[in-house]
Amino acid sequence: SQQGEEDPQALSIQEGENATMNCSYKTSINNLQWYRQNSGRGLVHLILIRSNEREKHSGRLRVTLDTSKKSSSLLITASRAADTASYFCAMTTDSWGKLQFGAGTQVVVTP
Amino acid sequence: NAGVTQTPKFQVLKTGQSMTLQCAQDMNHEYMSWYRQDPGMGLRLIHYSVGAGITDQGEVPNGYNVSRSTTEDFPLRLLSAAPSQTSVYFCASSYSGVANYGYTFGSGTRLTVV
Repeated sequence: SQQGEEDPQALSIQEGENATMNCSYKTSINNLQWYRQNSGRGLVHLILIRSNEREKHSGRLRVTLDTSKKSSSLLITASRAADTASYFCAMTTDSWGKLQFGAGTQVVVTP
Repeated sequence: NAGVTQTPKFQVLKTGQSMTLQCAQDMNHEYMSWYRQDPGMGLRLIHYSVGAGITDQGEVPNGYNVSRSTTEDFPLRLLSAAPSQTSVYFCASSYSGVANYGYTFGSGTRLTVV
């Protein structure tokens, strides 16, 4: 079974709006990461947040982590059409750091 | 700096055929992994390697073999292709494991087994 579950499965917004997606997981983690995948392409690493961190920012991205609730959220502010993609959370639970992925959130940003 | 290069990009196999998916990285990354991506299921780990000569199984290793003779290359072999192996395959590498760094992904190989 998958370690991570994402919500919503799909999200449609207009340019300029904010997009928020959530990730819940089942067991304790070392870190949690978010990736973006454009249609037909490979995944691109966006941001990594460690288990002892609560919030991180990178440009228009804001990630939060609540280990007590076993959940994380990714916020994209002032979305652009180029943000149209699938977004995946992935977490590591062991010392080596094998990644376990959620099923992803498909985001469509319309101009 | 090409990053992670996967070949071929597309492949059609007949059931029972074997083939090797190639993966090469030029970033001197120690860690490399193979994932498969199926609709609605995210990515699942097939095999991984923490350095040349060291490999281990992931979540879905059956039907696949790997070897790591050099730091740069991490080929994935399908021993006897089955329709259940129809998927998109991604190779990824990381400097010292995703405990501290994210992965760099290749662009994928889309495999169809008929």
